[in-house]
Amino acid sequence: DTEVTQTPKHLVMGMTNKKSLKCEQHMGHRAMYWYKQKAKKPPELMFVYSYEKLSINESVPSRFSPECPNSSLLNLHLHALQPEDSALYLCASSPRQGDYGYTFGSGTRLTVV
Amino acid sequence: GQQLNQSPQSMFIQEGEDVSMNCTSSSIFNTWLWYKQDPGEGPVLLIALYKAGELTSNGRLTAQFGITRKDSFLNISASIPSDVGIYFCAGHHDRGSTLGRLYFGRGTQLTVWP
Repeated sequence: DTEVTQTPKHLVMGMTNKKSLKCEQHMGHRAMYWYKQKAKKPPELMFVYSYEKLSINESVPSRFSPECPNSSLLNLHLHALQPEDSALYLCASSPRQGDYGYTFGSGTRLTVV
Repeated sequence: GQQLNQSPQSMFIQEGEDVSMNCTSSSIFNTWLWYKQDPGEGPVLLIALYKAGELTSNGRLTAQFGITRKDSFLNISASIPSDVGIYFCAGHHDRGSTLGRLYFGRGTQLTVWP
C-alpha cells in the first residue's frame, strides 16, 4: 500500500459545527503532515507529527486541533471555523521528519458556510 | 517564511512543444523537488534532486539542481494533453529548525492545446 487516504473527500460545515478530517497511511511512515491549500496557491504547512508527537505547529489557530492516535492515523479536529478557512486540506507522510519523500493524499475539500 | 520565485506563472502551449519552468530562492536548499498537481488531487512528486549540479530525468521530464543551490529548472519535452496541471517546485532543508518543512513555489499552470 503506497497511498495516503483522506476522508471525507468533501465536507461542508457551518461555523458552529464540530467535524474531523481523517488521514491514514500504511507505509510505515513515522512523520505525518497537515497542509492547507487555497485555490491557485501552493500548500501551506500547518502541523508536523513525528513518531506520534507534535513536532511543528505553524502558529495555527486553536480552532484547528490535530491528533495522532497511532502511527498510521492523523486527524484534524475542526471547531468554530470561519468562511476563510474554506480550502483543500492535504495530509502527507514521509518515512521520517526530514525525509523529503512526501506522499500526499488527495485532500479534503472543506467549505465553511 | 522563505520565498521561492517560480516562473512562469502560466503557460499555454501546443501539443508536442517543449516546456521550461524554473525556481529561484534567496536561500540555499539541500533538496529541490518538483511536483505536479491535478485538479482536486494532492501533489505528486515528479523528480527529486539532492546535489548541486545534478541533472535528473524521469521520462520526458528533466530537472536540474543549480550549482549555487538556490535554483532549479524543470523541462518537459514533447508535451501531451495529460501534462496539463499545476507544477510546483519545492525546497527542503535536511537539518536544523526547518527540518521537515517544504517551501513551495507559487506554481506554474500548464495548459496544452491539442
